[in-house]
Amino acid sequence: KQEVTQIPAALSVPEGENLVLNCSFTDSAIYNLQWFRQDPGKGLTSLLLIQSSQREQTSGRLNASLDKSSGRSTLYIAASQPGDSATYLCAVITGYSTLTFGKGTMLLVSP
Amino acid sequence: NAGVTQTPKFRILKIGQSMTLQCTQDMNHNYMYWYRQDPGMGLKLIYYSVGAGITDKGEVPNGYNVSRSTTEDFPLRLELAAPSQTSVYFCASSYGPSVETQYFGPGTRLLVL
Repeated sequence: KQEVTQIPAALSVPEGENLVLNCSFTDSAIYNLQWFRQDPGKGLTSLLLIQSSQREQTSGRLNASLDKSSGRSTLYIAASQPGDSATYLCAVITGYSTLTFGKGTMLLVSP
Repeated sequence: NAGVTQTPKFRILKIGQSMTLQCTQDMNHNYMYWYRQDPGMGLKLIYYSVGAGITDKGEVPNGYNVSRSTTEDFPLRLELAAPSQTSVYFCASSYGPSVETQYFGPGTRLLVL
């Protein structure tokens, strides 16, 4: 059974810092890995999707890497801003189009 | 473009009552999903559908039923509500399997007392 772990569970940083969120998964036979953002009381917004054949994806200040063989992904956020405060969820697809989620990292960026 | 819409936003049920959570998408997506999210936890898949008339169980299907009569709609039925079904329910859709991003609705918060 696929299991996804995210470390740390919570992170508090001052504005402007660069930071890294970690995600690990137990079954390396994945189709892709996605990073989502969830604001309190809201749904999920897809940030980045990395296909299993790719090593990384970038969108603005966000960069996600994937090392499928070691079962690891990182989400790098450059020059963090208070508007980045949210919970970040990592999810992988191993089965038929279904996502397995981690519990998330709750990020707080202070002004 | 509304994307994925869910109703109601919030509902309180008594133990043993039944209800249907509605989900509609206007993106002509073939694939639709229902997840539940408990406090401090990731999302878990309840049911999914790969097209009208085709549904399959996810990780936590007990206590729920689904149907998919149209491409747009994917309702989730709770029969005999139990306190363990207190959760936030998210509906999602995608154009195809595996390589496609899933788009999520805003969620339905359900409290069973």
